[in-house]
Amino acid sequence: SAVISQKPSRDICQRGTSLTIQCQVDSQVTMMFWYRQQPGQSLTLIATANQGSEATYESGFVIDKFPISRPNLTFSTLTVSNMSPEDSSIYLCSVELGEADTQYFGPGTRLTVL
Amino acid sequence: QKEVEQNSGPLSVPEGAIASLNCTYSDRVSQSFFWYRQYSGKSPELIMSIYSNGDKEDGRFTAQLNKASQYVSLLIRDSQPSDSATYLCAAARNSGNTPLVFGKGTRLSVIA
Repeated sequence: SAVISQKPSRDICQRGTSLTIQCQVDSQVTMMFWYRQQPGQSLTLIATANQGSEATYESGFVIDKFPISRPNLTFSTLTVSNMSPEDSSIYLCSVELGEADTQYFGPGTRLTVL
Repeated sequence: QKEVEQNSGPLSVPEGAIASLNCTYSDRVSQSFFWYRQYSGKSPELIMSIYSNGDKEDGRFTAQLNKASQYVSLLIRDSQPSDSATYLCAAARNSGNTPLVFGKGTRLSVIA
Protein backbone atom coordinates (compact mmCIF):
# COMPACT_ATOMS: atom_id res chain seq x y z
CA SER A 1 0.00 0.00 0.00
CA ALA A 2 1.00 3.67 0.17
CA VAL A 3 0.96 6.44 2.72
CA ILE A 4 -1.68 8.96 1.68
CA SER A 5 -2.17 12.25 3.49
CA GLN A 6 -4.82 14.91 3.13
CA LYS A 7 -4.87 18.49 4.31
CA PRO A 8 -6.81 19.90 6.03
CA SER A 9 -8.30 17.04 8.04
CA ARG A 10 -11.35 19.18 8.79
CA ASP A 11 -12.59 22.70 8.29
CA ILE A 12 -15.59 24.87 8.97
CA CYS A 13 -16.27 27.38 6.21
CA GLN A 14 -18.70 30.15 5.46
CA ARG A 15 -21.21 30.00 2.63
CA GLY A 16 -19.87 31.44 -0.62
CA THR A 17 -16.20 30.79 0.10
CA SER A 18 -13.89 28.17 -1.42
CA LEU A 19 -11.68 25.49 0.13
CA THR A 20 -8.77 23.66 -1.46
CA ILE A 21 -8.02 20.15 -0.24
CA GLN A 22 -4.60 18.63 -0.82
CA CYS A 23 -3.77 14.96 -1.33
CA GLN A 24 -0.18 13.73 -1.14
CA VAL A 25 1.06 10.19 -1.80
CA ASP A 26 4.47 8.84 -0.83
CA SER A 27 4.98 7.06 -4.17
CA GLN A 28 4.21 7.81 -7.79
CA VAL A 29 0.77 6.66 -8.90
CA THR A 30 -0.97 6.91 -12.24
CA MET A 31 -4.57 6.99 -11.07
CA MET A 32 -5.91 9.34 -8.38
CA PHE A 33 -9.55 9.89 -7.60
CA TRP A 34 -11.71 12.24 -5.55
CA TYR A 35 -14.83 11.05 -3.74
CA ARG A 36 -17.50 12.65 -1.61
CA GLN A 37 -19.27 10.88 1.24
CA GLN A 38 -22.29 12.65 2.65
CA PRO A 39 -23.49 11.76 6.15
CA GLY A 40 -24.77 8.20 6.33
CA GLN A 41 -24.17 7.63 2.62
CA SER A 42 -21.75 5.62 0.54
CA LEU A 43 -18.99 6.98 -1.65
CA THR A 44 -19.76 9.11 -4.68
CA LEU A 45 -17.01 9.59 -7.24
CA ILE A 46 -16.46 13.24 -8.15
CA ALA A 47 -13.68 12.89 -10.72
CA THR A 48 -10.53 11.15 -11.83
CA ALA A 49 -7.50 13.42 -11.49
CA ASN A 50 -5.38 13.01 -14.62
CA GLN A 51 -1.74 14.00 -14.57
CA GLY A 52 -0.97 16.54 -17.27
CA SER A 53 -4.53 16.92 -18.50
CA GLU A 54 -7.98 17.99 -17.36
CA ALA A 55 -9.79 15.87 -14.79
CA THR A 56 -12.55 13.51 -15.88
CA TYR A 57 -15.76 14.41 -14.06
CA GLU A 58 -18.68 12.15 -13.22
CA SER A 59 -22.23 13.03 -14.09
CA GLY A 60 -23.49 15.77 -11.80
CA PHE A 61 -20.08 17.26 -11.06
CA VAL A 62 -18.57 20.16 -13.02
CA ILE A 63 -15.17 21.75 -13.22
CA ASP A 64 -16.39 25.21 -12.21
CA LYS A 65 -17.64 23.86 -8.89
CA PHE A 66 -14.89 21.29 -8.24
CA PRO A 67 -11.69 22.34 -10.02
CA ILE A 68 -8.94 19.73 -9.71
CA SER A 69 -5.22 19.98 -10.24
CA ARG A 70 -2.74 17.14 -10.73
CA PRO A 71 0.68 18.68 -11.29
CA ASN A 72 2.63 15.45 -10.81
CA LEU A 73 2.29 11.75 -9.97
CA THR A 74 2.25 12.21 -6.19
CA PHE A 75 -0.01 15.21 -5.60
CA SER A 76 -3.50 16.49 -6.37
CA THR A 77 -5.84 19.19 -5.13
CA LEU A 78 -9.62 19.47 -5.11
CA THR A 79 -11.25 22.86 -4.66
CA VAL A 80 -14.84 23.15 -3.49
CA SER A 81 -15.97 26.51 -4.88
CA ASN A 82 -18.73 28.90 -3.82
CA MET A 83 -19.71 26.57 -1.02
CA SER A 84 -23.21 26.04 0.32
CA PRO A 85 -24.36 23.96 3.31
CA GLU A 86 -25.17 21.13 0.86
CA ASP A 87 -21.42 20.77 0.27
CA SER A 88 -20.93 19.68 3.87
CA SER A 89 -19.43 16.25 3.50
CA ILE A 90 -16.30 14.15 3.83
CA TYR A 91 -14.02 14.46 0.83
CA LEU A 92 -11.67 11.54 0.15
CA CYS A 93 -8.85 11.05 -2.27
CA SER A 94 -7.81 7.58 -3.35
CA VAL A 95 -5.05 6.09 -5.45
CA GLU A 96 -4.79 2.96 -7.52
CA LEU A 97 -1.76 0.94 -6.51
CA GLY A 98 -0.47 -2.61 -6.62
CA GLU A 99 -2.79 -5.34 -7.87
CA ALA A 100 -5.19 -4.46 -10.69
CA ASP A 101 -7.89 -1.92 -9.80
CA THR A 102 -6.92 -1.85 -6.10
CA GLN A 103 -7.63 1.50 -4.49
CA TYR A 104 -6.39 2.93 -1.22
CA PHE A 105 -7.96 5.90 0.50
CA GLY A 106 -6.58 8.92 2.25
CA PRO A 107 -7.86 9.82 5.73
CA GLY A 108 -10.44 12.26 4.38
CA THR A 109 -11.32 15.93 4.90
CA ARG A 110 -14.44 16.69 6.91
CA LEU A 111 -16.00 19.88 5.61
CA THR A 112 -18.79 21.79 7.32
CA VAL A 113 -20.32 24.77 5.55
CA LEU A 114 -22.33 27.23 7.64
CA GLN B 1 -30.20 -3.01 -11.80
CA LYS B 2 -27.58 -1.05 -9.91
CA GLU B 3 -24.01 -2.04 -10.65
CA VAL B 4 -23.24 -3.10 -7.07
CA GLU B 5 -25.96 -3.78 -4.49
CA GLN B 6 -25.76 -4.50 -0.79
CA ASN B 7 -28.27 -4.84 1.99
CA SER B 8 -27.79 -1.77 4.17
CA GLY B 9 -28.47 -3.68 7.37
CA PRO B 10 -27.87 -3.29 10.20
CA LEU B 11 -26.69 -6.87 10.57
CA SER B 12 -26.34 -7.90 14.18
CA VAL B 13 -24.41 -10.98 15.23
CA PRO B 14 -23.27 -12.18 18.66
CA GLU B 15 -19.60 -12.17 19.53
CA GLY B 16 -17.87 -15.32 18.31
CA ALA B 17 -20.41 -16.01 15.54
CA ILE B 18 -19.85 -15.92 11.79
CA ALA B 19 -20.94 -12.70 10.08
CA SER B 20 -21.97 -13.10 6.45
CA LEU B 21 -22.07 -10.04 4.22
CA ASN B 22 -23.40 -10.27 0.71
CA CYS B 23 -23.15 -8.23 -2.47
CA THR B 24 -24.64 -8.70 -5.93
CA TYR B 25 -23.46 -7.06 -9.11
CA SER B 26 -24.56 -6.38 -12.67
CA ASP B 27 -23.04 -7.36 -16.00
CA ARG B 28 -21.34 -3.95 -16.22
CA VAL B 29 -18.86 -4.88 -13.48
CA SER B 30 -17.16 -8.24 -13.48
CA GLN B 31 -13.41 -7.85 -13.34
CA SER B 32 -12.23 -7.38 -9.78
CA PHE B 33 -14.01 -7.29 -6.45
CA PHE B 34 -13.08 -5.72 -3.15
CA TRP B 35 -14.29 -5.47 0.41
CA TYR B 36 -13.57 -2.35 2.45
CA ARG B 37 -14.22 -1.76 6.14
CA GLN B 38 -15.16 1.71 7.30
CA TYR B 39 -15.33 2.67 10.95
CA SER B 40 -17.49 5.63 11.86
CA GLY B 41 -15.63 8.85 11.12
CA LYS B 42 -12.79 7.07 9.32
CA SER B 43 -11.94 6.43 5.69
CA PRO B 44 -12.46 3.04 3.99
CA GLU B 45 -9.78 0.44 4.62
CA LEU B 46 -9.15 -2.40 2.17
CA ILE B 47 -9.75 -5.85 3.68
CA MET B 48 -9.84 -8.26 0.77
CA SER B 49 -9.66 -8.43 -3.00
CA ILE B 50 -10.85 -11.35 -5.11
CA TYR B 51 -10.50 -11.82 -8.84
CA SER B 52 -11.52 -15.41 -9.63
CA ASN B 53 -14.30 -17.80 -8.69
CA GLY B 54 -14.05 -19.55 -5.36
CA ASP B 55 -12.89 -18.69 -1.88
CA LYS B 56 -10.00 -16.57 -0.68
CA GLU B 57 -9.04 -16.67 2.98
CA ASP B 58 -7.05 -14.15 5.02
CA GLY B 59 -7.07 -14.73 8.76
CA ARG B 60 -10.64 -14.54 10.03
CA PHE B 61 -11.88 -13.20 6.69
CA THR B 62 -13.01 -15.24 3.69
CA ALA B 63 -14.15 -13.69 0.43
CA GLN B 64 -16.29 -15.80 -1.88
CA LEU B 65 -16.92 -15.05 -5.54
CA ASN B 66 -19.54 -16.75 -7.71
CA LYS B 67 -19.50 -15.24 -11.20
CA ALA B 68 -22.31 -17.45 -12.50
CA SER B 69 -24.69 -16.09 -9.86
CA GLN B 70 -23.06 -12.65 -9.81
CA TYR B 71 -22.50 -12.39 -6.12
CA VAL B 72 -19.56 -11.86 -3.84
CA SER B 73 -19.64 -12.37 -0.10
CA LEU B 74 -17.45 -11.74 2.93
CA LEU B 75 -17.45 -14.09 5.90
CA ILE B 76 -16.01 -12.97 9.20
CA ARG B 77 -15.31 -15.86 11.58
CA ASP B 78 -15.18 -15.47 15.35
CA SER B 79 -16.70 -11.98 15.08
CA GLN B 80 -15.44 -9.45 17.60
CA PRO B 81 -16.99 -6.18 18.77
CA SER B 82 -14.08 -4.45 17.03
CA ASP B 83 -15.47 -5.77 13.72
CA SER B 84 -18.49 -3.49 14.14
CA ALA B 85 -18.29 -1.17 11.15
CA THR B 86 -19.76 -0.54 7.73
CA TYR B 87 -18.53 -2.94 5.05
CA LEU B 88 -18.39 -1.67 1.48
CA CYS B 89 -18.40 -3.95 -1.54
CA ALA B 90 -16.69 -2.57 -4.64
CA ALA B 91 -16.15 -3.78 -8.19
CA ALA B 92 -14.27 -2.69 -11.27
CA ARG B 93 -16.14 -1.89 -14.46
CA ASN B 94 -15.57 -4.05 -17.52
CA SER B 95 -14.33 -1.08 -19.53
CA GLY B 96 -11.11 -1.03 -17.55
CA ASN B 97 -8.94 1.80 -16.27
CA THR B 98 -11.86 3.33 -14.40
CA PRO B 99 -12.42 3.82 -10.69
CA LEU B 100 -14.27 1.27 -8.61
CA VAL B 101 -18.03 1.21 -8.23
CA PHE B 102 -19.13 1.02 -4.59
CA GLY B 103 -22.21 -0.42 -2.99
CA LYS B 104 -24.03 1.51 -0.28
CA GLY B 105 -22.45 -0.60 2.44
CA THR B 106 -23.75 -2.96 5.13
CA ARG B 107 -23.57 -1.89 8.73
CA LEU B 108 -22.40 -4.74 10.97
CA SER B 109 -22.90 -4.75 14.72
CA VAL B 110 -21.19 -7.44 16.80
CA ILE B 111 -22.84 -7.74 20.18
CA ALA B 112 -20.65 -8.70 23.15
